[in-house]
Amino acid sequence: AQTVTQSQPEMSVQEAETVTLSCTYDTSESDYYLFWYKQPPSRQMILVIRQEAYKQQNATENRFSVNFQKAAKSFSLKISDSQLGDAAMYFCAYRALAQGGKLIFGQGTELSVKP
Amino acid sequence: DVKVTQSSRYLVKRTGEKVFLECVQDMDHENMFWYRQDPGLGLRLIYFSYDVKMKEKGDIPEGYSVSREKKERFSLILESASTNQTSMYLCASSSGAAPSYNEQFFGPGTRLTVL
Repeated sequence: AQTVTQSQPEMSVQEAETVTLSCTYDTSESDYYLFWYKQPPSRQMILVIRQEAYKQQNATENRFSVNFQKAAKSFSLKISDSQLGDAAMYFCAYRALAQGGKLIFGQGTELSVKP
Repeated sequence: DVKVTQSSRYLVKRTGEKVFLECVQDMDHENMFWYRQDPGLGLRLIYFSYDVKMKEKGDIPEGYSVSREKKERFSLILESASTNQTSMYLCASSSGAAPSYNEQFFGPGTRLTVL
């Protein structure tokens, strides 16, 4: 069975600094997608970034980038120039092409940003 | 913008009551999902649907059922609510079909308390 593990329940970063959130996953599938979702306090979950497993190049979206290590089954999220609005719960998620549209989520990492 | 709405933000019910959680999306998405979110466990898939009148079990379907009579509406039913069903319930929708499913958009969530 596929699993997703986020080993950092809480993280903290100073405003304008960089922080990295960790995620590992376990799968025997070869075709899959990985995602980072952001859930701000009392607000809806939104997609931050996605990575296709067949792509070697790491995905980037403005201040958000990933470090995708396929052999190590690792998928970390780096947030550069952290802003107060980045404070949220972050979830790593996995979807195998053979499993349809189902997402498997990690436990979540709560990120706080200090001014 | 995609909009996924849920009927209630907060709900308090008694043990043994039948509970209906409603989810509506306005983007003609084929796929809809129900998750529950618990601290330290992340999001877990309860049920999902790829089309009207279709439903498939997710990872934790016990104690729940669903209904999808119209494309835009997906209902989660707790036939006899129990205290261990106290949780945050999130609905999501996405477009696409196998093998290309697009991004899931989430509703604001319903925080259900069963007393």
